[in-house]
Amino acid sequence: DAGVIQSPRHEVTEMGQEVTLRCKPISGHDYLFWYRQTMMRGLELLIYFNNNVPIDDSGMPEDRFSAKMPNASFSTLKIQPSEPRDSAVYFCASSPWSRRTDTQYFGPGTRLTVL
Amino acid sequence: DAKTTQPPSMDCAEGRAANLPCNHSTISGNEYVYWYRQIHSQGPQYIIHGLKNNETNEMASLIITEDRKSSTLILPHATLRDTAVYYCIVRALSDSNYQLIWGAGTKLIIKP
Repeated sequence: DAGVIQSPRHEVTEMGQEVTLRCKPISGHDYLFWYRQTMMRGLELLIYFNNNVPIDDSGMPEDRFSAKMPNASFSTLKIQPSEPRDSAVYFCASSPWSRRTDTQYFGPGTRLTVL
Repeated sequence: DAKTTQPPSMDCAEGRAANLPCNHSTISGNEYVYWYRQIHSQGPQYIIHGLKNNETNEMASLIITEDRKSSTLILPHATLRDTAVYYCIVRALSDSNYQLIWGAGTKLIIKP
């Protein structure tokens, strides 16, 4: 299995531009998570999906952030308009459903820089 | 979910066992102890988890005290590639709450 795939790996954009981050979870995993990591705040959960349905988006910082999961093999996190304070590493993770474990498998991340 | 306390950093010599402690004195009976690590510039990686009994896999061993208020992750023969931030997380399996609460972790440096 290729693991969780994220694209792009690096994104540099200017303030006000729209940014779209992409994620392909591990096949067969029922849960998908979007995280943001910064030096100041560490790793923060933004939103997670179960069977393509958003379950908890309380971590999404503002209305500028939106996430979709149109099918079991693809999800996007969109920031519109982007701001310098959105600069961070964004991770996608997926997890299989199980009553004994909910191990999360992370992608390599997208490093976003907003100038 | 219960909170955890970990030392901010530790050193270990290459080839030696690395023992990483974690305190979780408010852990509930249905909460598991999970360990993840994050190597620089990579996503976090699952290592091991347990409830009451000690656990071992190909990566590490997890020793949980009898009162479950603390645990130790053991990397039996540390290599330079084990240099990473190690996170101890406690949580209950629940259909309604799938969040992992990430603390600051322990930065483990393996020295040659």
